[in-house]
Amino acid sequence: GDSVTQMEGPVTLSEEAFLTINCTYTATGYPSLFWYVQYPGEGLQLLLKATKADDKGSNKGFEATYRKETTSFHLEKGSVQVSDSAVYFCALSYNNAGNMLTFGGGTRLMVKP
Amino acid sequence: EAGVAQSPRYKIIEKRQSVAFWCNPISGHATLYWYQQILGQGPKLLIQFQNNGVVDDSQLPKDRFSAERLKGVDSTLKIQPAKLEDSAVYLCASSLGPGRGKGETQYFGPGTRLLVL
Repeated sequence: GDSVTQMEGPVTLSEEAFLTINCTYTATGYPSLFWYVQYPGEGLQLLLKATKADDKGSNKGFEATYRKETTSFHLEKGSVQVSDSAVYFCALSYNNAGNMLTFGGGTRLMVKP
Repeated sequence: EAGVAQSPRYKIIEKRQSVAFWCNPISGHATLYWYQQILGQGPKLLIQFQNNGVVDDSQLPKDRFSAERLKGVDSTLKIQPAKLEDSAVYLCASSLGPGRGKGETQYFGPGTRLLVL
């Protein structure tokens, strides 16, 4: 079946450091890919998404590119802030399967001032 | 626009007791999802509704879990009887529904944190 694998955390960075959180997927078809973020004490919210190969999703300085050849959707940010501290989830869905999300295990990011 | 509402936010019960969670999706959203998120893991889909019909409940432990969305709006998820391994956060999400193209966004509620002792 389909699955999503993320790098294990926690990832600890200093403010203004470069961030990469790796995400790879196994899929039988051509899914849409997502990054969701969960801030402390809050619910999951969509950070960015990409629906086809070579698409780049971006939001709040975060970017991720849909790489079909490497089945990856790595999350990057050039300069992290303390307020980016959260748990990040990579996920996939299929339009013809009810759009249910299959999530990775999550990666906790801690940014120190 | 109001978000997805869930209640209660926290619940502590003993094993073999029953518990129910409530979810009210964003107005106009036809699709409603219940996910289970065990500590340290990503959410896992339990059941998906399209209006008041079930689309997918293949991962719902039907011997103890049940869910309904009678009028196609709010939904209730029940566990009876609860087991220790049911301790988790139960997330409700909603989306506009089919025909929106690929990559439809799901909007999540704050979740209900369940502890079974």
